[in-house]
Amino acid sequence: AQSVTQLGSHVSVSEGALVLLRCNYSSSVPPYLFWYVQYPNQGLQLLLKYTSAATLVKGINGFEAEFKKSETSFHLTKPSAHMSDAAEYFCAVSDHSNYQLIWGAGTKLIIKP
Amino acid sequence: KAGVTQTPRYLIKTRGQQVTLSCSPISGHRSVSWYQQTPGQGLQFLFEYFSETQRNKGNFPGRFSGRQFSNSRSEMNVSTLELGDSALYLCASSVLAGLELSYEQYFGPGTRLTVT
Repeated sequence: AQSVTQLGSHVSVSEGALVLLRCNYSSSVPPYLFWYVQYPNQGLQLLLKYTSAATLVKGINGFEAEFKKSETSFHLTKPSAHMSDAAEYFCAVSDHSNYQLIWGAGTKLIIKP
Repeated sequence: KAGVTQTPRYLIKTRGQQVTLSCSPISGHRSVSWYQQTPGQGLQFLFEYFSETQRNKGNFPGRFSGRQFSNSRSEMNVSTLELGDSALYLCASSVLAGLELSYEQYFGPGTRLTVT
């Protein structure tokens, strides 16, 4: 069965520093992978997705993620953090058996001034 | 296109009561999924409806139910509310992109339910 692990329930970085949010998945078939962001008191918004095309995927707000099959990872990065990036980030993997997404537990990104 | 809408946005209920939440998907989207989000449990899948049929179900008690109408609008109902049902309830819609499933879900803003 598919599963998603997000390392670190909270990640704290200084403004201007590199953001790295980790996501590892398990899947018996080639997956689709997603990163979503949730700002306080809002729903989730799609940041980017991997659907078996280019392994380096660029998303909104300067974020990107790289699909590494050998490491079963799909880590999210941003070169320079902004205060507005403070939010919760969710990684998800497709479950082809029931057309659903399997969600990670989420990582809260904290930006220090 | 209008996004996913959920009503009401906020709700306060008393233990033992029942509640109905509504979700209108993006036009053309036939799949609607419901999630419960709490600080302790994260994002938990409740159920998914596709073309008026429940296609998938999460691990929640029978007090949680839902339905979907012919226009793809969906409702979820929680009966005999418990304090632990206090949560943000999120609805998401998705569409089949031709012959390839997109899996991409579009979320509404959620309904914040408080049970006292």
